[in-house]
Amino acid sequence: NAGVTQTPKFRVLKTGQSMTLLCAQDMNHEYMYWYRQDPGMGLRLIHYSVGEGTTAKGEVPDGYNVSRLKKQNFLLGLESAAPSQTSVYFCAAAAQPDSTDTQYFGPGTRLTVL
Amino acid sequence: GQNIDQPTEMTATEGAIVQINCTYQTSGFNGLFWYQQHAGEAPTFLSYNVLDGLEEKGRFSSFLSRSKGYSYLLLKELQMKDSASYLCAVADSNYQLIWGAGTKLIIKP
Repeated sequence: NAGVTQTPKFRVLKTGQSMTLLCAQDMNHEYMYWYRQDPGMGLRLIHYSVGEGTTAKGEVPDGYNVSRLKKQNFLLGLESAAPSQTSVYFCAAAAQPDSTDTQYFGPGTRLTVL
Repeated sequence: GQNIDQPTEMTATEGAIVQINCTYQTSGFNGLFWYQQHAGEAPTFLSYNVLDGLEEKGRFSSFLSRSKGYSYLLLKELQMKDSASYLCAVADSNYQLIWGAGTKLIIKP
């Protein structure tokens, strides 16, 4: 039982390049989330999904797109990377959005955009 | 607006007790979470409060006062492995988590 995994762990991009971050979970959870974490700031929600085939915008969605074609996978895309997107990206999964099941986090992807 | 405030950094001695405070202003309230995050790692769940009062779990306790918009995390018998950042997060009216910037706890021998 791996929980939540993220691919890749590290990546360096040049401005304007595109990439996709993959999040996979084996807990059969309905809810999945993408956050970014920057120094001195709290985790900020980029996009989230409440089930297979659904996505919704979070607090900072601009410059990102997501897809949830399969329940176990949640993809985060950067179409044209910018230096402001240099960050650590965390994916999380939860069975429910309330207290009965907390958000379980993946190990993170450290992205640098030059 | 929505806001979560917690101290940036705290220092404590091994074996001692430390209290990390969190104050919040959010649109709706569906519970307050505390997470621990070691450097370079993912956050991991510590505690959850939705009703006023104290929740105790081993060496860690968490307190909530909804009327004051205030919570604290109490860590007893501090160990070196407790050196980490402690994140306070509130579930708003849509059950989305609003996160504080975290408190870096430094434990000295």
